[in-house]
Amino acid sequence: AQSVTQPDIHITVSEGASLELRCNYSYGATPYLFWYVQSPGQGLQLLLKYFSGDTLVQGIKGFEAEFKRSQSSFNLRKPSVHWSDAAEYFCAVGAADKLIFGTGTRLQVFP
Amino acid sequence: GAVVSQHPSWVICKSGTSVKIECRSLDFQATTMFWYRQFPKQSLMLMATSNEGSKATYEQGVEKDKFLINHASLTLSTLTVTSAHPEDSSFYICSAREGSSYNEQFFGPGTRLTVL
Repeated sequence: AQSVTQPDIHITVSEGASLELRCNYSYGATPYLFWYVQSPGQGLQLLLKYFSGDTLVQGIKGFEAEFKRSQSSFNLRKPSVHWSDAAEYFCAVGAADKLIFGTGTRLQVFP
Repeated sequence: GAVVSQHPSWVICKSGTSVKIECRSLDFQATTMFWYRQFPKQSLMLMATSNEGSKATYEQGVEKDKFLINHASLTLSTLTVTSAHPEDSSFYICSAREGSSYNEQFFGPGTRLTVL
């Protein structure tokens, strides 16, 4: 069965520090992978997606993610976090016309 | 980017009553709409998928008679929680997509339902 695991429920970083949010997936075929951000009162916003091709994907707001098939991972990274990045982040896999979401990682940013 | 709205943003109702939540695509034609439910500190769980003019396809374990979904136009889908009970209290989120399944889903801001 398809599934997405985000091992870190809550991460706290200092502003300006680098960030990596982990995502592991289970899917039988070549996965379509997504990262979304959810801020209070706002809908989920797509940060980036991987369908095929270059395994390092660039997204909005300075985020990037790397698809590693051997590790079934699609970790999200940002070299320098801003206070406005504090939010909930969801990894998702596209399976049979649907999105399957991980449980999310809450990012807290300290000044 | 495309905008999806939901109304209301929050609603409180008494047990036994029905509540309707609207999801609108404001600047594109949503051939497919999705309804999700999100519990506190948990993931989004897909409830159902609806294509304009067709009956919704419900996920396993979702009661179709309790969660009525209508997608009568290319810009509007509604979710009606019938005979709501406290365990139906949750955050309901819709998303909309135009055309192919390769296209992006755009998400609404969600509706917080509290059943007393």
